[in-house]
Amino acid sequence: EAGVVQSPRYKIIEKKQPVAFWCNPISGHNTLYWYLQNLGQGPELLIRYENEEAVDDSQLPKDRFSAERLKGVDSTLKIQPAELGDSAVYLCASSSGLTSYNEQFFGPGTRLTVL
Amino acid sequence: AQSVTQPDIHITVSEGASLELRCNYSYGATPYLFWYVQSPGQGLQLLLKYFSGDTLVQGIKGFEAEFKRSQSSFNLRKPSVHWSDAAEYFCAVGAGRDDKIIFGKGTRLHILP
Repeated sequence: EAGVVQSPRYKIIEKKQPVAFWCNPISGHNTLYWYLQNLGQGPELLIRYENEEAVDDSQLPKDRFSAERLKGVDSTLKIQPAELGDSAVYLCASSSGLTSYNEQFFGPGTRLTVL
Repeated sequence: AQSVTQPDIHITVSEGASLELRCNYSYGATPYLFWYVQSPGQGLQLLLKYFSGDTLVQGIKGFEAEFKRSQSSFNLRKPSVHWSDAAEYFCAVGAGRDDKIIFGKGTRLHILP
């Protein structure tokens, strides 16, 4: 069974540029998460989807971040415009249940560097 | 709101030695508790979880953890570490209505040959 796929694995951009990250969850997993992981920190939830509905986006900085999960399968996270402080690893995870307490399966992440 | 603390940023042990990674949580009721491991270049993987019942939980890769309510702790243990256990370990806590898990800052485990 394929795991959670994320692309790109690495991205370097200049500040004020837009950037997008893509995630394909494990087949059949209806819950999808985007996390932000700063250096030396644990993952912090940005947004959680149940199928195509965003059920928790309280931590998503909506002035510059947006996300979508069309058709309830893969998802895209976008930043526009990027700031220096956005340099971090962006993790995608998926799970088969409708609660965060089911096992979450994580992708390898996208490491973003903003210059 | 719930919170989780991992007091040790780095831990170094010799291969074959025993291991204990500390985790303390803050929450009024019985929380959901997790340990995840993140190997270099890999995603986080669930080692074990505690929801209720037996306070000693067995996980994958020979790890176990013990829930101690009186100490608000959920420490991770392994009797004999292998070089492949070198990774970052995250304790996480979840609590009921929020349906959200909060991760600690992690403990990086180094293994001496």
